[in-house]
Amino acid sequence: DAGVIQSPRHEVTEMGQEVTLRCKPISGHNSLFWYRQTMMRGLELLIYFNNNVPIDDSGMPEDRFSAKMPNASFSTLKIQPSEPRDSAVYFCASSPGQPYGYTFGSGTRLTVV
Amino acid sequence: AQSVAQPEDQVNVAEGNPLTVKCTYSVSGNPYLFWYVQYPNRGLQFLLKYITGDNLVKGSYGFEAEFNKSQTSFHLKKPSALVSDSALYFCAVRDNQAGTALIFGKGTTLSVSS
Repeated sequence: DAGVIQSPRHEVTEMGQEVTLRCKPISGHNSLFWYRQTMMRGLELLIYFNNNVPIDDSGMPEDRFSAKMPNASFSTLKIQPSEPRDSAVYFCASSPGQPYGYTFGSGTRLTVV
Repeated sequence: AQSVAQPEDQVNVAEGNPLTVKCTYSVSGNPYLFWYVQYPNRGLQFLLKYITGDNLVKGSYGFEAEFNKSQTSFHLKKPSALVSDSALYFCAVRDNQAGTALIFGKGTTLSVSS
């Protein structure tokens, strides 16, 4: 298995632009998680899905952020409009469920200028 | 609510010496506890987990961790550190209730000097 695949690896965009991050979880994993990593705040859980259904989106910082999981093999995290404070590394992770741990993707490093 | 604390931002140790990276947690039910490692510009990699059973858990790369329920701790240990162990280490916890996600500590940077 290729693991959790995230794209793009790096994204540089101008303030105000729409940004879409993509994630392909491991086949057979029924839970998917989006995390954001910054120096100041560490790893923050943004949202997670079970069986393609959003379970908890309380970590999504603002209405500018949205996430979808249209099927078991694909998820997107969208920021519209983007702001410089959104600059971070965004990780996607998947899991086969409790009590198993998560497998993380390599992350997307987002820079908003 | 669940939370996890890693009280040390950085741990420095000489190669060959034992290392400990501290973690304490808080959950309302019984905990599932994990340690992950992150190398520069990489995603997090699973090291070990405690679900139930023996309090001493052995994981990858010679690491182990001890679950202490009375102290609500899950410290990561290794008897003899390697320079290649230098990385960022995360402790994570979740309640064993269904529908909860892992909450991560802020991370501890381990620096092993030769």
